[in-house]
Amino acid sequence: AQSVAQPEDQVNVAEGNPLTVKCTYSVSGNPYLFWYVQYPNRGLQFLLKYITGDNLVKGSYGFEAEFNKSQTSFHLKKPSALVSDSALYFCAVRDKDSGYSTLTFGKGTMLLVSP
Amino acid sequence: KAGVTQTPRYLIKTRGQQVTLSCSPISGHRSVSWYQQTPGQGLQFLFEYFSETQRNKGNFPGRFSGRQFSNSRSEMNVSTLELGDSALYLCASSPGGRENEAFFGQGTRLTVV
Repeated sequence: AQSVAQPEDQVNVAEGNPLTVKCTYSVSGNPYLFWYVQYPNRGLQFLLKYITGDNLVKGSYGFEAEFNKSQTSFHLKKPSALVSDSALYFCAVRDKDSGYSTLTFGKGTMLLVSP
Repeated sequence: KAGVTQTPRYLIKTRGQQVTLSCSPISGHRSVSWYQQTPGQGLQFLFEYFSETQRNKGNFPGRFSGRQFSNSRSEMNVSTLELGDSALYLCASSPGGRENEAFFGQGTRLTVV
C-alpha cells in the first residue's frame, strides 16, 4: 500500500519570507511524486512533479520541491512567499513499479501568507 | 485545449435519491479518475477508468458506481444517497502513463439534505 503524510494542517508565513510545506511518502517501489494547489471552491491545479533525475524540481509560480530518497520526503518550497500563495496544498504519490497504481494524496496543508 | 469539465457544478439532493455526475476529460486523455473530497477525510479515491475499463477501485460501498464511454467521457452514480455523501466530487484526467500528472475539473458540490 502507498501513503502520503503531510504533518502540518496549517503553515503560517509572512509575505516575503521563505516557505516550506512538508511531505513524506511510503511506497513499495520507486515513487512518482506530485504537488497540487487548491483555491477555494476550485479543483486541484498541478504545480510540479518528480519523475527521475535531479532531486530539485522546479515548477509553476516559483515553487520548487526537493526529493530525498533516504528520508522519503518531497518538501515544497518557495524562496519568497506571496499573499496570493495562500491556499490548500496537496502532496501525492504513485508507485512507479507496481501494476495499476493510483494517485494517492495526503490530507493537505493550508498555507496562510500574511501581508 | 479545453480543460476537464464537470457538470453540474452544484447539486442538492434528498436523502434516498440517486444522482449522476458527469466528467468530460481533456481531449486525447484516456484515463479518468474520481475523488471525493470532504473536510474531515481529505481526498479519497473512488475509481479510475481507462479505455472504458475500470482499472482501480477505492474503498467505497457499492452505492457508488461509474462508467466510461468510448469518447472517454465518464459518469459516476450514487444511489440511495446518505447525508454523509455530501462532498465535493472531483474528476481528473490524464493520458494514462503513471508518470503523467492528472488534470482536475472544478468539481461538483453535492449536498444531501
